[in-house]
Amino acid sequence: EVQLVESGGGLVQPGSSLRLSCAASGFTFDDYAMHWVRQAPGKGLEWVSGINWNSNTIGYADSVKGRFTISRDNGKNSLHLQMNSLRGEDTALYYCARDRHLAVAGVVDYWGRGTLVTVSS
Amino acid sequence: SSELTQDPAVSVALGQTVRITCQGDSLRKYHANWYQQKPGQAPVLVIFGKDNRPSAIPGRFSGSSSGNTASLTVTGAQAEDEADYYCNSRDSSGNHVVFGGGTKLTVL
Repeated sequence: EVQLVESGGGLVQPGSSLRLSCAASGFTFDDYAMHWVRQAPGKGLEWVSGINWNSNTIGYADSVKGRFTISRDNGKNSLHLQMNSLRGEDTALYYCARDRHLAVAGVVDYWGRGTLVTVSS
Repeated sequence: SSELTQDPAVSVALGQTVRITCQGDSLRKYHANWYQQKPGQAPVLVIFGKDNRPSAIPGRFSGSSSGNTASLTVTGAQAEDEADYYCNSRDSSGNHVVFGGGTKLTVL
């Protein structure tokens, strides 16, 4: 059974940093691209970042480029999102998600339950 | 453009057919994928690629596209289909992904 379990969310002040992690199990992790997708309270889905199977191709939404860094450790079946210079508009539920493909194609077939990030003073 | 546009809300009578649309320039090059999200739950992939359904998705869900518009059709809508529906695709650059704003489907 495919499982994606996010961790690392919490309440932080504007300007601070946070590192999200996603533990993957139930599939061959390095056969798939991975994504972070977020959803602000009461709002729609927003793609944050994606990384292909071997980390050679990485993409970021314009809203987070230069502040967030995605990475993966295929040896530990884990995905990470380093978030710096956090803003109030980064407040959201952050989902770890699996792509059906090796490349960042955007076909997300499995989602975690999400980890909540709240940026507030 | 890297945006996908969806109608905010659509309603359908129980058992009838409804079409939810998604418009954007990237859809001329890439297929749309469709997700269903119910309150308090993670999204679920319902249609991907040209018109492919994951094995757990009922056959009443189908996808189509023409030009810059992709559509999700629910034939014989059921009460349990009431949910938010999102489309997504790669954007025109190919290395980014974009989601539509979502459509709230109400089954009357």
